[in-house]
Parts: sequence; structure tokens; C-alpha cells
Amino acid sequence: KAGVTQTPRYLIKTRGQQVTLSCSPISGHRSVSWYQQTPGQGLQFLFEYFSETQRNKGNFPGRFSGRQFSNSRSEMNVSTLELGDSALYLCASSQDRGTLAGLQETQYFGPGTRLLVL
Amino acid sequence: GNSVTQMEGPVTLSEEAFLTINCTYTATGYPSLFWYVQYPGEGLQLLLKATKADDKGSNKGFEATYRKETTSFHLEKGSVQVSDSAVYFCALSYSGAGSYQLTFGKGTKLSVIP
Repeated sequence: KAGVTQTPRYLIKTRGQQVTLSCSPISGHRSVSWYQQTPGQGLQFLFEYFSETQRNKGNFPGRFSGRQFSNSRSEMNVSTLELGDSALYLCASSQDRGTLAGLQETQYFGPGTRLLVL
Repeated sequence: GNSVTQMEGPVTLSEEAFLTINCTYTATGYPSLFWYVQYPGEGLQLLLKATKADDKGSNKGFEATYRKETTSFHLEKGSVQVSDSAVYFCALSYSGAGSYQLTFGKGTKLSVIP
């Protein structure tokens, strides 16, 4: 099976712009989660989508949003970019984290999109 | 709340040395515990996991045991190789708002020198 893919891999934007990142999960995986990785804050949970619905959201401002399509592909959007949004954005997929076994499921990560805001 | 604390390093070892990376956690309920590894320029790869107390996860010579009494999940390897140089993240999975999410430690950078 192909792994989780993310596009683009690298992105440079300027303050005030908006950006959309894309994630294609492993075939058959219905849950997609997004994480932000920075040197200062480490890895932080952004949100999780399942069956086109956002089930959970981390502590990020409303400028960060996302969506999931019927084929489980997901996009995240960041509006009005700030310098502090420069980070590696990681997407992860798992089969069905809504089941009782969800706590034990492995999340499979993509290579990430590195965003630089100037 | 839930949190993970791991030694931040960096850790530098000679090839064939013994490795221990400490990880302790705070959580309500019964989380699952994971070690992920990140090689330069890549995303995270699952190294091993344990889903209940006293479980031992193992993979590629790495081991970690889920210790509920000490709330720990220390990563060990008997003989490291240069190819083990990477950043290692300890994480726990817990239930929140109807789904499950990972909480990560800060990561430990390991460098293995020949």
C-alpha cells in the first residue's frame, strides 16, 4: 500500500497570505489528523477528521481550519499567515479511530509540508 | 491533563553502545504508549508501541515496557548503529471529544558516531 502523501512538500509564503495543504491517507484509512511541529513547541495536535466531520480540535486559533472529502483526502487551510506559523505540518492517518480499539491504533505519518512564512 | 516528559538530549553515543531514552507520562485512564522516530527531512515512523500495562513493544532491536506503577515507557537498545541517528519521540494516545489523539514528548536527538 502507498503511504500517506502530502503536497506540497515545501512552501514559502508572506505574512497575511493564506495557504492550503493537502493530505492523502493510506487507502482504507478513514481518520486523518494534522499536527504542527516547531522547534519551540514540538509536536502539537491541530485537528482530526473522520467521515468528513471534524471530531476533535486542538488549541489553535480559528485561522487554522480543515476539511475532509468523501474519499478521505484532507486539506488544511491557514489564513492570514503569521511568522509564527512557520513549521512542519504533518498529516497522519489511521483506519478507524472511532472504534473501541481506536486508542490502540497506530497513526501513520506523511513526510510533512514545510511552510516558511516571511 | 495528559502529558509526556522525555529526556531532551542531544544524546551522542559511540557505535555498539547501550541506549536508554527515558520517558514518563501523566494520563487519566489507560492510554496506549508509542515511540516514533524521525529521520532528517522525513515524517514520523512508528518504532514500537504498547497498549496495556506490562506490555513490551519491540522492533529493530529497540524495546520499551509499559510500566504503570512508575508511569514510564523507557526506550532501550543494546547496541546502537550509525543508522539509528535520528530524533525519537515518546507519545501517548488518549480519548478526547469522541476521537483519539497523540500527545508527544519534546523529542530526543540521538547521534551515533562510528
